[in-house]
Amino acid sequence: EPEVTQTPSHQVTQMGQEVILRCVPISNHLYFYWYRQILGQKVEFLVSFYNNEISEKSEIFDDQFSVERPDGSNFTLKIRSTKLEDSAMYFCASSDGRMRSPLHFGNGTRLTVT
Amino acid sequence: GENVEQHPSTLSVQEGDSAVIKCTYSDSASNYFPWYKQELGKGPQLIIDIRSNVGEKKDQRIAVTLNKTAKHFSLHITETQPEDSAVYFCAASPPPGYSTLTFGKGTMLLVSP
Repeated sequence: EPEVTQTPSHQVTQMGQEVILRCVPISNHLYFYWYRQILGQKVEFLVSFYNNEISEKSEIFDDQFSVERPDGSNFTLKIRSTKLEDSAMYFCASSDGRMRSPLHFGNGTRLTVT
Repeated sequence: GENVEQHPSTLSVQEGDSAVIKCTYSDSASNYFPWYKQELGKGPQLIIDIRSNVGEKKDQRIAVTLNKTAKHFSLHITETQPEDSAVYFCAASPPPGYSTLTFGKGTMLLVSP
């Protein structure tokens, strides 16, 4: 069964550094998402992406965040200047674009900011 | 915006028992309610979903009920097995977003043999 893959599984970075989290969505999917989960808290929506542009974003997704689909397969989340509170599990997801089609999540990248 | 509350936060049952997890939502416009199962080290996986034009949906040992008037929905797992042990998340999605989900805080289900 096709799946969403994320790399790396764990990223440790120092406060103020830039990080790029990478995702390969399911190949025929058209909508891409980033969610995050701070330890012990809810899974929170960050951003959705369709047709090479952001379609929705949450209040969390401020100017330090950006997303990109640099080629036909990868979908990236960049955090420009990491803060301690950015430490979380970041999940990429994709869907095929039909209304209310289910989201398929990757296994996540655990980001630790020290 | 939408707010989803989920109870209980942990649930321990004996193998073969039933388990019920309940969620409430705040936005009456929400019309899509998926349930996800998250096993250790993995991302959430959809196990069942329900749309607001349906009151109940069943898939083998799993069922979901929706009460739009009360704005709550529940997951029912019958004949639980140890492999059902995981964290379960409910979510709600208001229109017009394409699957922009607001999640509950999760329920850790432990099924003891």
